[in-house]
Amino acid sequence: KNQVEQSPQSLIILEGKNCTLQCNYTVSPFSNLRWYKQDTGRGPVSLTIMTFSENTKSNGRYTATLDADTKQSSLHITASQLSDSASYICVVSRGAGNNRKLIWGLGTSLAVNP
Amino acid sequence: DAGVTQSPTHLIKTRGQQVTLRCSPKSGHDTVSWYQQALGQGPQFIFQYYEEEERQRGNFPDRFSGHQFPNYSSELNVNALLLGDSALYLCAGHRHNTGELFFGEGSRLTVL
Repeated sequence: KNQVEQSPQSLIILEGKNCTLQCNYTVSPFSNLRWYKQDTGRGPVSLTIMTFSENTKSNGRYTATLDADTKQSSLHITASQLSDSASYICVVSRGAGNNRKLIWGLGTSLAVNP
Repeated sequence: DAGVTQSPTHLIKTRGQQVTLRCSPKSGHDTVSWYQQALGQGPQFIFQYYEEEERQRGNFPDRFSGHQFPNYSSELNVNALLLGDSALYLCAGHRHNTGELFFGEGSRLTVL
């Protein structure tokens, strides 16, 4: 079954600290993996898109890793800021062309406290 | 270059009514996908429009229908509204069969 599981479900950290969010997937055939940030009540914003051959991709203080062998990805946030408080959603793209489908995780809710 | 625009941003309807939501993707994006996101849940794929036709559909009843216009903008129609249809409806634009989705800010629908 094609699934995307994220952990932890929620996380609270202090401003300035680092954190790592996890994403495990059982999606086949794999096309790419995306991380989105979604502020409450707003649309998701893309952070990174990683294909099979990419191990690491950074976007400012966000660094995503992908291990296609173990089907795991992580999103590392460095020096967290209050504005990082949001839901972080892992999405795996399955298939290609007209058969491409996106499998969404349920997200990790991150709260950054002062 | 304008981003993805959705309208209205908020609306309140009563059970049994019908609603139409609108979306304009970014310039150059020819495909529009619609998602429903209930409070505290992840987005659920409703359907995708390309070349003015529905190309893919998620697990939603026929009460949910859509349309795409020649300028790539799209509408989502929901008939016979139920309380459970209360959600944030997100529209995402992209180039057909390519990667990144660009989401609008959503339309918050409340059904009373």
